[in-house]
Amino acid sequence: GDSVTQMEGPVTLSEEAFLTINCTYTATGYPSLFWYVQYPGEGLQLLLKATKADDKGSNKGFEATYRKETTSFHLEKGSVQVSDSAVYFCALSDHSGGSNYKLTFGKGTLLTVNP
Amino acid sequence: GAVVSQHPSWVICKSGTSVKIECRSLDFQATTMFWYRQFPKQSLMLMATSNEGSKATYEQGVEKDKFLINHASLTLSTLTVTSAHPEDSSFYICSGTGGINSPLHFGNGTRLTVT
Repeated sequence: GDSVTQMEGPVTLSEEAFLTINCTYTATGYPSLFWYVQYPGEGLQLLLKATKADDKGSNKGFEATYRKETTSFHLEKGSVQVSDSAVYFCALSDHSGGSNYKLTFGKGTLLTVNP
Repeated sequence: GAVVSQHPSWVICKSGTSVKIECRSLDFQATTMFWYRQFPKQSLMLMATSNEGSKATYEQGVEKDKFLINHASLTLSTLTVTSAHPEDSSFYICSGTGGINSPLHFGNGTRLTVT
């Protein structure tokens, strides 16, 4: 079945540091890939997505590139801020069978950014 | 933006009692609602998918008679945990979408503790 493996946290960085959160996946079909973010006390929000190989999703300074050859979708940000402190989830949606939004999630990575 | 309101945000109940969790889509029609469960340090696991007016489709290993899902309207879906036991203690999250090409919106989650 489908699965997502993401870097275990917690990750603690200083403000303006470079961030990478690794994510790899296995899927039976050709999935779409997502990063969701959950800020303290809030629901999950879509951060960025990519639907085909070599696509780069980007939002709020975060980027991730769909790498089919390495089955990866690593999240990066060049300079993190305190307000980026949250839990980040990598996820995939396998379109086989027509379930466009049936998401498979990673375990989540807690990021804490200190001033 | 579109919002899914999930209530309660936390609940403590005694073993053997039933608990109902509500998710309301406030400014869109949720034709499809997904219910997830998250154990500590684990992924969000899809429990069931419900389409408005139809019976929910449960994932393998999820007891349909224990986790009753009702999606009688386009703005309300409920999950009832019947005869709750301590092992049902978890974080339950709903997400709704207006259709295959529409965004997916998450509720803030419900922390259930069964004593």
